[in-house]
Amino acid sequence: GQQVMQIPQYQHVQEGEDFTTYCNSSTTLSNIQWYKQRPGGHPVFLIQLVKSGEVKKQKRLTFQFGEAKKNSSLHITATQTTDVGTYFCAGWSGAGSYQLTFGKGTKLSVIP
Amino acid sequence: EAGVAQSPRYKIIEKRQSVAFWCNPISGHATLYWYQQILGQGPKLLIQFQNNGVVDDSQLPKDRFSAERLKGVDSTLKIQPAKLEDSAVYLCASSLDPSARSYTFGSGTRLTVV
Repeated sequence: GQQVMQIPQYQHVQEGEDFTTYCNSSTTLSNIQWYKQRPGGHPVFLIQLVKSGEVKKQKRLTFQFGEAKKNSSLHITATQTTDVGTYFCAGWSGAGSYQLTFGKGTKLSVIP
Repeated sequence: EAGVAQSPRYKIIEKRQSVAFWCNPISGHATLYWYQQILGQGPKLLIQFQNNGVVDDSQLPKDRFSAERLKGVDSTLKIQPAKLEDSAVYLCASSLDPSARSYTFGSGTRLTVV
């Protein structure tokens, strides 16, 4: 079945440093979604990427979808303590299947 | 708009006991999902409903887990009997339809089996 892998599993950064998490799928995806889960909270939708090579920005967050639609990345510029949480990518293979498969997430800690 | 409501928020039971979780999706959302999130892992889909019909329950351990959405709105997920490895957060999510751009998750029910 479809597998979605994320690296790194944990990342500790000093406030103000940049952060990147990477997501790789074993199969081609029709789209990829990113979610943020604060400690003790539930996943909250951030963005969806659909097109090959697509790049989207949300303030300090930059999301990319690979040309082959099998990988994606989330980059945060100048991290803040409010960025703390676990970032999940979730892939949707399409082809009649609407099952969203989540990666294990990257847990971000920001040291003030 | 109101979010996805789940209850209870926390539950502690002994192994071999039974437990039920309740979910009320966002009004008008036809698609409802139950996910299991074990500590340190990403959510794993257990079952997906479209209105009151099951779309995908391939990862639901049917010997002990059951779920229903009789009127196409609220849903309940039951575990009977519970095992220690069922300790997890059970998340309910809903979307307008299966192809919707995003899911809205509820706050989840944290289950501890002792």
